[in-house]
Amino acid sequence: GAGVSQSPSNKVTEKGKDVELRCDPISGHTALYWYRQSLGQGLEFLIYFQGNSAPDKSGLPSDRFSAERTGGSVSTLTIQRTQQEDSAVYLCASSAIPPETQYFGPGTRLLVL
Amino acid sequence: AQKVTQAQTEISVVEKEDVTLDCVYETRDTTYYLFWYKQPPSGELVFLIRRNSFDEQNEISGRYSWNFQKSTSSFNFTITASQVVDSAVYFCALSEANQAGTALIFGKGTTLSVSS
Repeated sequence: GAGVSQSPSNKVTEKGKDVELRCDPISGHTALYWYRQSLGQGLEFLIYFQGNSAPDKSGLPSDRFSAERTGGSVSTLTIQRTQQEDSAVYLCASSAIPPETQYFGPGTRLLVL
Repeated sequence: AQKVTQAQTEISVVEKEDVTLDCVYETRDTTYYLFWYKQPPSGELVFLIRRNSFDEQNEISGRYSWNFQKSTSSFNFTITASQVVDSAVYFCALSEANQAGTALIFGKGTTLSVSS
């Protein structure tokens, strides 16, 4: 079956602009995660959605970051007023009911100029 | 606090050599899960294995084997007769049963380069 998909693959934006990153999880997976991979910080957890429960936002680095998940499926990560330090690869993962294995998408490479 | 340490930043081997990637973890939970992921140059994280804290049995899958030792808090990964296609960054990760969302805590990764 289809894996986790993410769009766009690459995004170049100017400092101060807002960006939206999309994640389409594996069909039937109830849990969805966002992570960020950067050279300096490695792989970091950002936010987690499980079914209709309130998301766990404990990993979001600032209030410029937000995410939503519509209909328990597709998720959008929004970064407002982007900064150069937001440049990174943003990875989405999904799993069946935790603590099942997380499967990752190909990521969105974000470059903030 | 939970932590994963991969002390080897980079390893270079020649094809057919065996190589072991080290992973040491810290957790206070008695129930936890350990993972290895591979990230080839294409960038996508590929799941390799998952182990729960109650299963210390070692596992072999083809040229890959994993050695889980709770006594030393280690979960090492060995590739036998390495091949050029094994070149990638390998990440060890931990998730705890009591942690909200069971988010993965990753080590910094080990970059493996296999030359022909």
